[in-house]
Amino acid sequence: QVQLVESGGGVVQPGRSLRLSCEVSGFRLGSYVMHWVRQAPGKGLEWVAVISDDGTNEYYVDSVRGRFTSSRDNSKNTLYLQMSSLRVEDTAVYYCAKGPHGMSPEHNWFGPWGQGTLVTVSS
Amino acid sequence: DIVMTQSPDSLAVSLGERATINCKSSQSILHDSNNKKYLAWYQQKPGQSPKLLIYWASTRESGVPDRFSGSGSGTDFTLTISSLQAEDVAVYYCQQYYSIPITFGQGTRLEI
Repeated sequence: QVQLVESGGGVVQPGRSLRLSCEVSGFRLGSYVMHWVRQAPGKGLEWVAVISDDGTNEYYVDSVRGRFTSSRDNSKNTLYLQMSSLRVEDTAVYYCAKGPHGMSPEHNWFGPWGQGTLVTVSS
Repeated sequence: DIVMTQSPDSLAVSLGERATINCKSSQSILHDSNNKKYLAWYQQKPGQSPKLLIYWASTRESGVPDRFSGSGSGTDFTLTISSLQAEDVAVYYCQQYYSIPITFGQGTRLEI
């Protein structure tokens, strides 16, 4: 069945970098747009980034643009989120989520989602 | 950015009764080219990741019980649970995918 497993979270100081990974199984990663969505502790959902199926197009929420970069290695069934210049307000559980087949990156719902990985930015 | 506003923030409904959650978008999310409403609904149970319930405002995801239904116009949408079950206790979110940035409502906590 379809599975998405995030990893790479942890505690990091403000200004430092971290790379998250999302390994998928049960479907061909190269056929799907993929997203990152985050949830601060006790808060709601915030979409962070999307990357097209071939990795040529990316979009980001304003608050992370220029600091976060999404990439993918379809041959390894793995999605990445490189986060730099981290801020306290980036503290959240980060989820990867699969977009629907055949839709352009800007017009996606999300499903299924991974279990999430917690990133804590603190001095 | 399109702002999504849900109401109420929390809701208590008795088992077997109907639950209704509303979601309003700050601009129309009805696409003229295909007459589709770019809205999805999610359920997030405590300690779990979100689960897709509905997309295109009213299309149920495979495996979602038919007590869940979605409806709405260009800016006003509703998620209805026709007969509340104990396992429906969760936070529910609406999401627009009409334009980037994709945005969510603030969530509605549903309790028994």
